[in-house]
Amino acid sequence: QLQLQESGSGLVKPSQTLSLTCAVSGGSISSGGYSWSWIRQPPGKGLEWIGYIYHSGSTYYNPSLKSRVTISVDRSKNQFSLKLSSVTAADTAVYYCARIRGRSDFDYWGQGTLVTVSS
Amino acid sequence: DIQLTQSPSFLSASVGDRVTITCRASQGISSYLAWYQQKPGKAPKLLIYAASTLQSGVPSRFSGSGSGTEFTLTISSLQPEDFATYYCQQLNSYPPMYTFGQGTKLEIK
Repeated sequence: QLQLQESGSGLVKPSQTLSLTCAVSGGSISSGGYSWSWIRQPPGKGLEWIGYIYHSGSTYYNPSLKSRVTISVDRSKNQFSLKLSSVTAADTAVYYCARIRGRSDFDYWGQGTLVTVSS
Repeated sequence: DIQLTQSPSFLSASVGDRVTITCRASQGISSYLAWYQQKPGKAPKLLIYAASTLQSGVPSRFSGSGSGTEFTLTISSLQPEDFATYYCQQLNSYPPMYTFGQGTKLEIK
């Protein structure tokens, strides 16, 4: 059974960089046909797709966040990571990692981790 | 950008009721639509993909239909565990862009 687990700092100061990692177990992050994504949800609000990295290493980002986002993969550790720079209070959210199946839907999700941007 | 609009945003229903949630896309998206269920404090769970295909392990009381710009999620007979928030989601193929609807909160009457 595939499992995803987010980790990283839960509190980030304004203007700094948010860094999260998603550890994948029960399957290989290098498996063809899948992409690995980050999605966030501000408290009490809806879901926003941040971006994804394809198994080949290609990345695609939400245009609204593109200038601040980097998603990378560490195949040796079977994990992928998110960096979001120049954060503000508007970036406070629960951040989820998820697997994209066939480029269409998110079939496995991590439990989510709350990141608060505050001084 | 393609926008998804769900209706209603809030829905009050009773155990045993049949409920339908609608998701409208601002332009045609073929059948590239999925539905998720989210309970408080939990990650979303995939229910339906490709507009009408039931995800493995999801009860058959859930069904999806539609194509183009209008889609529906139907729960045939509400169970207590179905009270949650439901989201639709679409993929715009190029450039790759995933969009979610604003959500429909299903509450117990």
